[in-house]
Amino acid sequence: AQSVTQLDSQVPVFEEAPVELRCNYSSSVSVYLFWYVQYPNQGLQLLLKYLSGSTLVKGINGFEAEFNKSQTSFHLRKPSVHISDTAEYFCAVSDQGAQKLVFGQGTRLTINP
Amino acid sequence: DTAVSQTPKYLVTQMGNDKSIKCEQNLGHDTMYWYKQDSKKFLKIMFSYNNKELIINETVPNRFSPKSPDKAHLNLHINSLELGDSAVYFCASSPGQGANQPQHFGDGTRLSIL
Repeated sequence: AQSVTQLDSQVPVFEEAPVELRCNYSSSVSVYLFWYVQYPNQGLQLLLKYLSGSTLVKGINGFEAEFNKSQTSFHLRKPSVHISDTAEYFCAVSDQGAQKLVFGQGTRLTINP
Repeated sequence: DTAVSQTPKYLVTQMGNDKSIKCEQNLGHDTMYWYKQDSKKFLKIMFSYNNKELIINETVPNRFSPKSPDKAHLNLHINSLELGDSAVYFCASSPGQGANQPQHFGDGTRLSIL
């Protein structure tokens, strides 16, 4: 069965600093990988996805993620964060050919001025 | 125009009551979902419908019954509400039923059981 582990429940960073949010998954087959962002009192929005091809994926709002098959990781990065990036970030995985996503437990990103 | 809209946004009710949450999407998508997000922000799928047919039915108490009158609507009815049902319920939709399809979420319905 697939599972997703987000290694940090909270990540505080200063404005304009770089950030990395970590995500590891377990699956015995090929996977699709996603990062979603949830702003306060809102639903989730897709940041980026990896389906196939280039392992470096660029998303909205300056975020990118790198798929590392050997380490079963899909870490999310941004070189310089803004106050508006304060939100909960969710990593999700699905086996290719499956119909449902399995979500990690979320990482709360807090940006300090 | 809101793409995925849920009503109500907040629902406060007593234990034992029956309540419904409605969801509508205007994206022309074929697939819709219900998720439950608990107090620790953990998000878990409950049901999914593709073109009005049930395709995912996770281990959920049978007090929860989804209904899809057409592919633009997916409602969730909950009987005999319990304290543990308190959560935020999210509706989502996607163009098709494959997990590679991006999902669009509503803003959630915050259900509080007294």
